[in-house]
Amino acid sequence: QVQLQESGSGLVKPSQTLSLTCTVSGGSISSDNYYWSWIRQHPGEGLEWIGYIYYSGSTYYNPSLKSRITMSVDTSKNQFSLKLSSVTAADTAVYYCAKLRFLEWAFDYWGQGTLVTVSS
Amino acid sequence: DIQMTQSPSSLSASVGDRVTITCRASQSISSYLNWYQQKPGKAPKLLIYSASTLQSGVPSRFNGSGSGTDFTLTISSLQPEDFATYYCQQRQLTFGGGTKVES
Repeated sequence: QVQLQESGSGLVKPSQTLSLTCTVSGGSISSDNYYWSWIRQHPGEGLEWIGYIYYSGSTYYNPSLKSRITMSVDTSKNQFSLKLSSVTAADTAVYYCAKLRFLEWAFDYWGQGTLVTVSS
Repeated sequence: DIQMTQSPSSLSASVGDRVTITCRASQSISSYLNWYQQKPGKAPKLLIYSASTLQSGVPSRFNGSGSGTDFTLTISSLQPEDFATYYCQQRQLTFGGGTKVES
């Protein structure tokens, strides 16, 4: 069974860059039928898809965040990462990594989530 | 962009009740509609994909239906562990606003 685990800084200062890594276990990140995604949830609110990456390095980002996002993948470590630049308090959220099954466009496995707070 | 509208935003129900949640897309999405359950402090869990296919391990009391723009998630007999928030999600990876099922 695939498991995903987020790691990274839980506190980021305004205007700085948020950095998170997702480690995948129980399966290879180099699978043909899946994208690897980031999703966030503002406190008490709904879910917002951030972007996804394929093991080849191809990416697709939410247009509303595209200018500030960089995603990367390290197949040797079975990890993928998110960088979100120029953060503000509005970026405070729980960040989830998830496996996206692109035949059905369904997120079938999720990490537990990590709270990132933007504050000075 | 395709907008997803869920209703109701919350509902009150009792164990054993039949619960119905609807999700409407602003334009046709064929059957590319997925449903998730989220409990407080936990990650969402995939319940149903492609509008009506139960994800492995999900109890059969959960049922999904619909195509085009109108979709429904039904819980045939609500169990104590089903009190949660439910989200729909479409192919362009936008989610509905959620429906909180509470007692």
